[in-house]
Amino acid sequence: GQNIDQPTEMTATEGAIVQINCTYQTSGFNGLFWYQQHAGEAPTFLSYNVLDGLEEKGRFSSFLSRSKGYSYLLLKELQMKDSASYLCAVLPFYQKVTFGTGTKLQVIP
Amino acid sequence: EAQVTQNPRYLITVTGKKLTVTCSQNMNHEYMSWYRQDPGLGLRQIYYSMNVEVTDKGDVPEGYKVSRKEKRNFPLILESPSPNQTSLYFCASRGKGPAYEQYFGPGTRLTVT
Repeated sequence: GQNIDQPTEMTATEGAIVQINCTYQTSGFNGLFWYQQHAGEAPTFLSYNVLDGLEEKGRFSSFLSRSKGYSYLLLKELQMKDSASYLCAVLPFYQKVTFGTGTKLQVIP
Repeated sequence: EAQVTQNPRYLITVTGKKLTVTCSQNMNHEYMSWYRQDPGLGLRQIYYSMNVEVTDKGDVPEGYKVSRKEKRNFPLILESPSPNQTSLYFCASRGKGPAYEQYFGPGTRLTVT
């Protein structure tokens, strides 16, 4: 089976740094995605990790540890527009993407 | 512009009245999927397709049908909708290979009364 855990909600202050964690237990592993989803809109791609380590892309970074079944998304210099849900998704098989329930991030002034 | 389109965007219907939600992508992607999203449950895969005429069940296939007669189209069919199928539905496509991101359609908000 597949199991992906993320915190349900987080709050952070504008300009700060926030780390959103994701742990997973899946029957296979071909990579981990992070998506951003604003309320009522479609998810949009943020990052993909398949090897251990940190991938940096502007204000967003994503880390993966395959041995621990653990990933995090790091958002720096938070802006109000970063208020959204962040979805962790694992690729156990090439054709199947399994999503966690998402972390709703609220950025406050 | 690379995109996934879905129609309709909003639909209110009654129990038992057959409906189809269309999905089309213009990126020549092999893989297509349908998801439903419900509060507290996240995105759950209904069906997926690896190529024309190749489809398989996802995590919540009951009450749904799909077909993939052309590479670009992947319609979702509800033969006899019920109120528990009230949800936000997303179609998605991605290229072959693990590193390819999924592109999502804008979503269809379905209400079954």
